[in-house]
Amino acid sequence: AQSVTQLGSHVSVSEGALVLLRCNYSSSVPPYLFWYVQYPNQGLQLLLKYTSAATLVKGINGFEAEFKKSETSFHLTKPSAHMSDAAEYFCALSGATNKLIFGTGTLLAVQP
Amino acid sequence: DTAVSQTPKYLVTQMGNDKSIKCEQNLGHDTMYWYKQDSKKFLKIMFSYNNKELIINETVPNRFSPKSPDKAHLNLHINSLELGDSAVYFCASSQDGLGAWEQFFGPGTRLTVL
Repeated sequence: AQSVTQLGSHVSVSEGALVLLRCNYSSSVPPYLFWYVQYPNQGLQLLLKYTSAATLVKGINGFEAEFKKSETSFHLTKPSAHMSDAAEYFCALSGATNKLIFGTGTLLAVQP
Repeated sequence: DTAVSQTPKYLVTQMGNDKSIKCEQNLGHDTMYWYKQDSKKFLKIMFSYNNKELIINETVPNRFSPKSPDKAHLNLHINSLELGDSAVYFCASSQDGLGAWEQFFGPGTRLTVL
């Protein structure tokens, strides 16, 4: 069975501080991993994805994530938070098929 | 140009009614999906169609019936609406049915059942 766990349903950082959103996964097959962002009252937008090429993946808006198989993790980071980063972030995985399994989401708040 | 569009954006209706949500993608993708996002923001796949053929049906009540008239459209019809159907419904599409492809999401339809 496949599952995704996002630690911390709410994360608050100061503007300019490091953003770290945690994601751990469980998968019996090699996973494809994704981070999506959802702004209020909008759909989901892809930030980045891991598809078994480089383990350090760079995405849009300065975000990156590192795939660590030994830790079954795919944490999302950004060196310096901006007010516009405030949103809900979802980690998701798929296997050989396109069925996306989502984590429960992390709401990121950025304080001025 | 909107890649994945949904209509309507908001839908308020009474229990027991029947309603439909429409989805269209102009990306030339072969695969389309319906997801349900509940009040706690949890997202769960409901259906997936590949080139008009149903490939994923996630134990959704049979009051929900997806229909794909062509590979650019995937509509969701809901019969006998219940309070628990209140949610945001997202349509999405991807290049094909393989897991490596990213999915592009529509803006969502907020369904409220009174």
